[in-house]
Amino acid sequence: QKEVEQDPGPLSVPEGAIVSLNCTYSNSAFQYFMWYRQYSRKGPELLMYTYSSGNKEDGRFTAQVDKSSKYISLFIRDSQPSDSATYLCAMSGSSNTGKLIFGQGTTLQVKP
Amino acid sequence: ETGVTQSPTHLIKTRGQQVTLRCSSQSGHNTVSWYQQALGQGPQFIFQYYREEENGRGNFPPRFSGLQFPNYSSELNVNALELDDSALYLCASSPPWGDSSSGANVLTFGAGSRLTVL
Repeated sequence: QKEVEQDPGPLSVPEGAIVSLNCTYSNSAFQYFMWYRQYSRKGPELLMYTYSSGNKEDGRFTAQVDKSSKYISLFIRDSQPSDSATYLCAMSGSSNTGKLIFGQGTTLQVKP
Repeated sequence: ETGVTQSPTHLIKTRGQQVTLRCSSQSGHNTVSWYQQALGQGPQFIFQYYREEENGRGNFPPRFSGLQFPNYSSELNVNALELDDSALYLCASSPPWGDSSSGANVLTFGAGSRLTVL
């Protein structure tokens, strides 16, 4: 069983829809939770990060962490075609490490 | 502010050969991590370099090795290439002080080097 599970999709939604992306994990030592966006032929780009449980909002993006359920989510409001990409969840147990554990990534397509 | 740059962008090797991939870290960053991303998968941590020494390693065999230089740039070397080594190799750098608000170690990734092993 993988430490981090993420549905690879693909997920296809119409422009303007609310998108929900999710990951589950098994390691209770994880404290830092991140969402990266990766466009085709590009490296991952950090979108959001959250420490421990709670919510964090940045523009159209909201990240939620529920440590009791070992479940994290990313919500995208008013989705745009430019949001079409692969979304990767990542997590770590320490702030002082370059070692992140990634999910498989969910491919999102937002249709005009 | 320049980001993380990697070279070469693409390369093709045959089984058994050796390859060296290069990475220049973002200005102000002193830690470099390397990841392997197979097609359709998330990145997998190979190792991290800090102060020119390996500082943490994932589940990769010793034929994966690296270097970090005084200017914080880095190399990833892979010996005795196997077909399964075909992947996108990502370099990520991070600052010494972490994120200003959370202290989290925020990684900045390069665009990667795509290796094909035939």
